[in-house]
Amino acid sequence: RKEVEQDPGPFNVPEGATVAFNCTYSNSASQSFFWYRQDCRKEPKLLMSVYSSGNEDGRFTAQLNRASQYISLLIRDSKLSDSATYLCVVPSNSGYALNFGKGTSLLVTP
Amino acid sequence: DAEITQSPRHKITETGRQVTLACHQTWNHNNMFWYRQDLGHGLRLIHYSYGVQDTNKGEVSDGYSVSRSNTEDLPLTLESAASSQTSVYFCASSAPGQGNSPLHFGNGTRLTVT
Repeated sequence: RKEVEQDPGPFNVPEGATVAFNCTYSNSASQSFFWYRQDCRKEPKLLMSVYSSGNEDGRFTAQLNRASQYISLLIRDSKLSDSATYLCVVPSNSGYALNFGKGTSLLVTP
Repeated sequence: DAEITQSPRHKITETGRQVTLACHQTWNHNNMFWYRQDLGHGLRLIHYSYGVQDTNKGEVSDGYSVSRSNTEDLPLTLESAASSQTSVYFCASSAPGQGNSPLHFGNGTRLTVT
């Protein structure tokens, strides 16, 4: 299994829809995970940190399944402004750096 | 406010030239990282540092070097630029901890090697 692997996307959804992305990881010892958002030609920005079973922040919910080694990001009531690439981030197998997934592209349409 | 800045924002250089990309952070973070981002590959780790005088190779370190003489700066040097090093480069920093602290990114440097 690759250190971190994401749904390839792209996801095209209408405004108001609910969309979910999955991410699998190989380091069973990982304790913390992150979702980043990246807009075109910009730097990644932290969206959510996931340190336990899950985390919720407004319309965004991140869930962690340690047994199956995956994390998910759920976006409810999608907005046009949610259109971006979402990066799944997990500690590397060495534990000393963070590995990024290749990203899942989301396009929310009117 | 604390920040992390990269310079230059854009750079065009010729094959074989030495190039240095600057990264400066005012977060007082011990950990600093350099990533490159290319289509189809996502973000890949080049080098990282956990403190002054500490440097480590990442996944794609060949052709790159870093030095850490103080907490604030981690310059990235391309010893002899190659066309394969055309990419967007991001510097990042984080608080101490083994992979459990989120990264703060700079705005990126877009490098073109002709």
